[in-house]
Amino acid sequence: KAGVTQTPRYLIKTRGQQVTLSCSPISGHRSVSWYQQTPGQGLQFLFEYFSETQRNKGNFPGRFSGRQFSNSRSEMNVSTLELGDSALYLCASSPSVSQETQYFGPGTRLLVL
Amino acid sequence: DQQVKQNSPSLSVQEGRISILNCDYTNSMFDYFLWYKKYPAEGPTFLISISSIKDKNEDGRFTVFLNKSAKHLSLHIVPSQPGDSAVYFCAASVDTGGFKTIFGAGTRLFVKA
Repeated sequence: KAGVTQTPRYLIKTRGQQVTLSCSPISGHRSVSWYQQTPGQGLQFLFEYFSETQRNKGNFPGRFSGRQFSNSRSEMNVSTLELGDSALYLCASSPSVSQETQYFGPGTRLLVL
Repeated sequence: DQQVKQNSPSLSVQEGRISILNCDYTNSMFDYFLWYKKYPAEGPTFLISISSIKDKNEDGRFTVFLNKSAKHLSLHIVPSQPGDSAVYFCAASVDTGGFKTIFGAGTRLFVKA
């Protein structure tokens, strides 16, 4: 079974632009979560989707949004980019409603200049 | 609001000895506690978990202990191997109508040969 894939792997943007990141979960997994990782901050929870519905959201501004499609693929969008948005964005999928075990993709490294 | 804390940013251990990674949490509603391991340029990989109703779970060289009264959990690796050198994240999961997983900031483990 293929793992979680994320595209693109690396991205450079400038302040004020917007960006869309993509995540394809493991086949059969219906839950997809997004995290932001910055040095010293660990993984900060962004949001979680299950069957196209956002079930949970972290403490991030409204510039961060996401969606999930009927095939469970998910996208995350950040509008009006700020320098502080530079981070590794990780997507994780889970086979069930429980997040007991999540399977992570390699991440998308975003650099905002 | 850091609900999951890993107070040691790094730990150095000799090969063959025991590695003990610690984690504290504040939310008594957490249902599951998990440990993830992360190598550079890769997403975190699930290592071991424990339900809030248990106090110990063992898987090969890895054992997780949960002390609910102290809101503390620890990961023991015995014996430690150089390949265990990585960043270890403690995480806790709670069902708020959708699961939300909170991660600690991580502890970098160095196992010296």
